[in-house]
Amino acid sequence: ETGVTQSPTHLIKTRGQQVTLRCSSQSGHNTVSWYQQALGQGPQFIFQYYREEENGRGNFPPRFSGLQFPNYSSELNVNALELDDSALYLCASSSRDRSYNEQFFGPGTRLTVL
Amino acid sequence: TQLLEQSPQFLSIQEGENLTVYCNSSSVFSSLQWYRQEPGEGPVLLVTVVTGGEVKKLKRLTFQFGDARKDSSLHITAAQPGDTGLYLCAFDSSGSARQLTFGSGTQLTVLP
Repeated sequence: ETGVTQSPTHLIKTRGQQVTLRCSSQSGHNTVSWYQQALGQGPQFIFQYYREEENGRGNFPPRFSGLQFPNYSSELNVNALELDDSALYLCASSSRDRSYNEQFFGPGTRLTVL
Repeated sequence: TQLLEQSPQFLSIQEGENLTVYCNSSSVFSSLQWYRQEPGEGPVLLVTVVTGGEVKKLKRLTFQFGDARKDSSLHITAAQPGDTGLYLCAFDSSGSARQLTFGSGTQLTVLP
């Protein structure tokens, strides 16, 4: 069974640029959630994708967008990068067929915005 | 707004000591989860507690869910350097998105 993978591992961008982060979900999981984790903080929910549609969104502006593909993999896109976007971006996969929302996280992508 | 408060924020202890970290809220939860996150990694699920008063054990880790399902604790017996990490509690929104809302975490350092 393959776990959640994310790419790239690290990324450095400058203000105003755009970035795309990728996530492959764990085998058998149909739901992908994205989180932003600032240094020393807990992860904050960005949005979730289920059946290729956004299925809930946290308090993040529209310049944060995403996609889910038929194989359940997902992308997170961030436009017009700001310095405060520097963080660890985590992808988590889960199955909506389960009673409890147990999510399995990837290792994250460390984004630095200069 | 449901918030989770974790305490202490930082904890540094010697190998072999016992410790307890807390996760508190004014809201009632249907379930609560505990995760551990090591540097450069994503959080890893340790346990899900569901029933008020429930106690679950995972080797040297003991998790308890408060009777009123508003709080939880994690007790580690005879801590080891391998226990070092960020301990996070989280609740499930149970809404359509079923998002997880995390506390700010307890950073534990176990010194050899």
